[in-house]
Amino acid sequence: DQQVKQNSPSLSVQEGRISILNCDYTNSMFDYFLWYKKYPAEGPTFLISISSIKDKNEDGRFTVFLNKSAKHLSLHIVPSQPGDSAVYFCAALGEKLTFGTGTRLTIIP
Amino acid sequence: SQTIHQWPATLVQPVGSPLSLECTVEGTSNPNLYWYRQAAGRGLQLLFYSVGIGQISSEVPQNLSASRPQDRQFILSSKKLLLSDSGFYLCAWRTGEIRDEQYFGPGTRLTVT
Repeated sequence: DQQVKQNSPSLSVQEGRISILNCDYTNSMFDYFLWYKKYPAEGPTFLISISSIKDKNEDGRFTVFLNKSAKHLSLHIVPSQPGDSAVYFCAALGEKLTFGTGTRLTIIP
Repeated sequence: SQTIHQWPATLVQPVGSPLSLECTVEGTSNPNLYWYRQAAGRGLQLLFYSVGIGQISSEVPQNLSASRPQDRQFILSSKKLLLSDSGFYLCAWRTGEIRDEQYFGPGTRLTVT
């Protein structure tokens, strides 16, 4: 039972444009959400997080939006840069941290 | 600053052989420690977590085991590897604060042949 889902396994975006990565969850007990970025053969690194009491959190080029009623969150990267090419995992925290399946983002120069 | 180490970085082992992966954390005390496996199409799967020395919680029943002999050392083991144990294994730590994010190690690529 996949409680955190990233339905797009891959996404390609032109450099300079906006990248939007989506994540859906089913457990209403999740109250804190995180995005991680992962390069091949490396561990994930923390990117940005959001508490369930907020609907938006911004950090430089990265913004996370949370829609609690839809149980949906998204990560916006603007403008997209070639170094953003990586696999992005969303994660939700309840009793434990549950990860999505990841989305491979490719930025096209 | 805190750092997390994992070794080896890559490992090729035959089916039926034993396994020992080690993870150590520096610069913090009494961390919560985690072992994850990244499998294709399944994201990051939590295998074990530990809130203190000798305290291990298992999330997925399988032929793997974990131990925490010291405060900042976490070991993943198996007596007999299966082909299905192949994957990318990640160790992570965080403080006891509930809203702290987890910090991940560099990972170990295990191939069982």
